Amino acid sequence: QSVLTQPPSASGTPGQRVTISCSGSGSNIGTNPVNWYQQLPGAAPKLLMYLNNQRPSGVPDRFSGSKSGTSASLAISGLQSEDESDFYCSTWDDILGGPLFGGGTKLTVL
Amino acid sequence: QMQLRESGPGLVKPSETLSLTCAVSGGSISSGSYYWGWIRQPPGKGLEWIGSFFSDGTTYYNPSLESRVTILRDTSKNQYFLNLRSVTAADTAVFYCARAEGRRGVTFGLWGRGTLVNVSS
Repeated sequence: QSVLTQPPSASGTPGQRVTISCSGSGSNIGTNPVNWYQQLPGAAPKLLMYLNNQRPSGVPDRFSGSKSGTSASLAISGLQSEDESDFYCSTWDDILGGPLFGGGTKLTVL
Repeated sequence: QMQLRESGPGLVKPSETLSLTCAVSGGSISSGSYYWGWIRQPPGKGLEWIGSFFSDGTTYYNPSLESRVTILRDTSKNQYFLNLRSVTAADTAVFYCARAEGRRGVTFGLWGRGTLVNVSS
């Protein structure tokens, strides 16, 4: 069974830079671009990053994405209190034959 | 501006069928290059893709749910539906409908607000 592995938690203080990782395999990240979603408490997920490093309109450039091999990362610079939320990576998985989501990372702003 | 809204019963008994509707406004589910999908999120847990269909009606499902899931659409009402059969408590979740784009509809760019369905007797 294919899995995208994310750390369950991450934290930082206001103004800091935080990175969230997403580890996959050749059937998913290794051959397909990665998306990232942000889910604020009590809300639906929102697309934050697509095609590894493309920001939808309205997403601040404090958010950036990258991919290398079978891993991807989301970086948040200039951390703000309103960034406190859950983040999910996602990509197509060739074995699943559909979109696969990571387990999610809960970001706490200290 | 396109919007999606889920609706359906908030409580379903074990072994019964969970049925949800996604009403789409501001655009047609039968035109364009969009995919339309269902995703669920058990309380306190992560996201799980259930299934999707393309605007031409081509449908594909998560293999782990495929034996119990059917996604249908009513283009005249611009709605699509989720049927999940033989539910158990493990199917308790917030269910989201979402519009997807990109290659094979992997990018969910627009989501509904979600609807919580509890499976309990």
